Amino acid sequence: GQQVMQIPQYQHVQEGEDFTTYCNSSTTLSNIQWYKQRPGGHPVFLIQLVKSGEVKKQKRLTFQFGEAKKNSSLHITATQTTDVGTYFCVTGNQFYFGTGTSLTVIP
Amino acid sequence: GAVVSQHPSWVICKSGTSVKIECRSLDFQATTMFWYRQFPKQSLMLMATSNEGSKATYEQGVEKDKFLINHASLTLSTLTVTSAHPEDSSFYICSARVVAGTYNEQFFGPGTRLTVL
Repeated sequence: GQQVMQIPQYQHVQEGEDFTTYCNSSTTLSNIQWYKQRPGGHPVFLIQLVKSGEVKKQKRLTFQFGEAKKNSSLHITATQTTDVGTYFCVTGNQFYFGTGTSLTVIP
Repeated sequence: GAVVSQHPSWVICKSGTSVKIECRSLDFQATTMFWYRQFPKQSLMLMATSNEGSKATYEQGVEKDKFLINHASLTLSTLTVTSAHPEDSSFYICSARVVAGTYNEQFFGPGTRLTVL
């Protein structure tokens, strides 16, 4: 399958700090999706990005799709303990998962 | 949102036995379902794409004779792990895809934790 790397693998932040995870694909993507998996849970859909350079916001979350449609990022402003979990980017129509970034928020 | 169920939620079996896992879309029809496995602290690895009424498409390295997939209806896909061995112990998650134009989203089941003794 496609190689989709995410960095960092792990991130610990103090509550209130910002957090960013980056997703990089070896190939051009038709679209990219982001999912969140809480510990012990299953992935839950957050958003889909389709257009080159697209930016979407959901409250404190900002998602961006690169101009070349090979990379994407998720930025969380002022993290809260409810943000804890692993964030995955998922590619195209084949639904290959990225390696994931595990976020820990320290109260 | 759409609901996907999985059964059983966990199973423990002896080495050499077969285990069947069911994945159901409860309030929508899904022509395509996906099967993943996830090891602790790792990402989800796509095993196969299950298409209603046709053969599943397996990812490279996944043995189709060991992981039998059947998608007999628009709301049910099953994964059978045949002759299970301890290395097959994992978290198996299914998902169903909803497509509307360029929009597509996966709804995941709660997963099945398989332990092979």
